[in-house]
Amino acid sequence: EIVLTQSPATLSLSPGERATLSCRASQSISSDLAWYQQRPGQAPRLLIYDASKRATGVPARFSGSGSGTDFTLTISSLEPEDFAVYYCQQCTNWPPWTFGQGTRVEIK
Amino acid sequence: EVQLVESGGGLIQPGGSLRLSCAASGFSVHSDYMAWVRQTPGKGLEWVSVIYSGGTTYYADSVKGRFTVSRDTSNNTASLQMDSLRVEDTAIYFCARALYCLTTACYRGVLDPWGQGTLVTVSS
Repeated sequence: EIVLTQSPATLSLSPGERATLSCRASQSISSDLAWYQQRPGQAPRLLIYDASKRATGVPARFSGSGSGTDFTLTISSLEPEDFAVYYCQQCTNWPPWTFGQGTRVEIK
Repeated sequence: EVQLVESGGGLIQPGGSLRLSCAASGFSVHSDYMAWVRQTPGKGLEWVSVIYSGGTTYYADSVKGRFTVSRDTSNNTASLQMDSLRVEDTAIYFCARALYCLTTACYRGVLDPWGQGTLVTVSS
């Protein structure tokens, strides 16, 4: 099973600041990585797929990069609605398509 | 609009059974991949099962032999039959489409959209 490790666990930032979230895979997954945002009481929402492609309707301030084992989600300038939990997920092989443990972006 | 709505969660005793349903609109569950994912405070997000458009199914080791995924094309619904439930199955269960398609390519395993989730509590 491929293990995804996200860091940091919590990121404390102010609105307008840049957020950089990391996801590391235990083995190479090419670019088969997705990122999701989850706000309290809501289901996760797809942000990024294929490591760097924005899903339909996702603001341009969200960007993804990386390939192989190291991936990054960047939020260029945090808006109030961006304070949430972010998960990475690998889609390379079943079973299973594993998730990272999440990074919480909180208001400083 | 593409949408998923789950139902069927509730409180059940250990060893009992429960059937979750996921009603789809805006696309056909028969033509797509449908997945179930659960979330607990302690373990985060965990894949449970997926059914491919051709009917192939996969299960997480933690539920294999106890859970069964299926779909009903007559009412465009995916279902998760959960038997021999354990306390550790307590979670919010989400269904999601697991094939993200654009005009140029499809991406297997990418989850969009998700349902709102339904809470399953296994307790005596």
